[in-house]
Amino acid sequence: QQQVKQSPQSLIVQKGGISIINCAYENTAFDYFPWYQQFPGKGPALLIAIRPDVSEKKEGRFTISFNKSAKQFSLHIMDSQPGDSATYFCAASAGTYKYIFGTGTRLKVLA
Amino acid sequence: NAGVTQTPKFQVLKTGQSMTLQCAQDMNHNSMYWYRQDPGMGLRLIYYSASEGTTDKGEVPNGYNVSRLNKREFSLRLESAAPSQTSVYFCASTLEWGKNTEAFFGQGTRLTVV
Repeated sequence: QQQVKQSPQSLIVQKGGISIINCAYENTAFDYFPWYQQFPGKGPALLIAIRPDVSEKKEGRFTISFNKSAKQFSLHIMDSQPGDSATYFCAASAGTYKYIFGTGTRLKVLA
Repeated sequence: NAGVTQTPKFQVLKTGQSMTLQCAQDMNHNSMYWYRQDPGMGLRLIYYSASEGTTDKGEVPNGYNVSRLNKREFSLRLESAAPSQTSVYFCASTLEWGKNTEAFFGQGTRLTVV
């Protein structure tokens, strides 16, 4: 019940395309859903986060879509660029719960 | 703006050797964490410290010990390294425990146990 399932494991997208990464959770107590971006040799860094009182949050080319009834949330990267090539982790937490991370998606954007 | 600093960045150990990974943050954060990252496994929590003076086990604590030396520093010790502990280790911190705030990560320590 504490797991966050992330898919796909890897993704290749053409420059200018849309990258979509999906996550699903079981614990309905989760109330904070961040996405972290990690470049090779670096630590993860917060990209964008959403709380379940909204169904969508957009920051530039990055959008989180949230479906509370399905217990799913996804990251959409519009107009994907080679500089977006990185590993993306979804996560979930709730109050005193620790962050639970997904297994990561390695995104490669072809020039 | 150092943020979260980890040392060393790379380390090779022989099976059975011990070592301590150091972590320090300069953001006056209360909570600190140690994760390991393995291919296909994502980030798994080893130990955490909700506040100075407290530590607790995460998902994968076996073979590790931690010390919250003060508010800034949180170290991870491997008493007798095993090949299964070959991994990339990340230290992270958050401002508060129990509130959903951003986690800040260090650059990682790549550990190989031969």
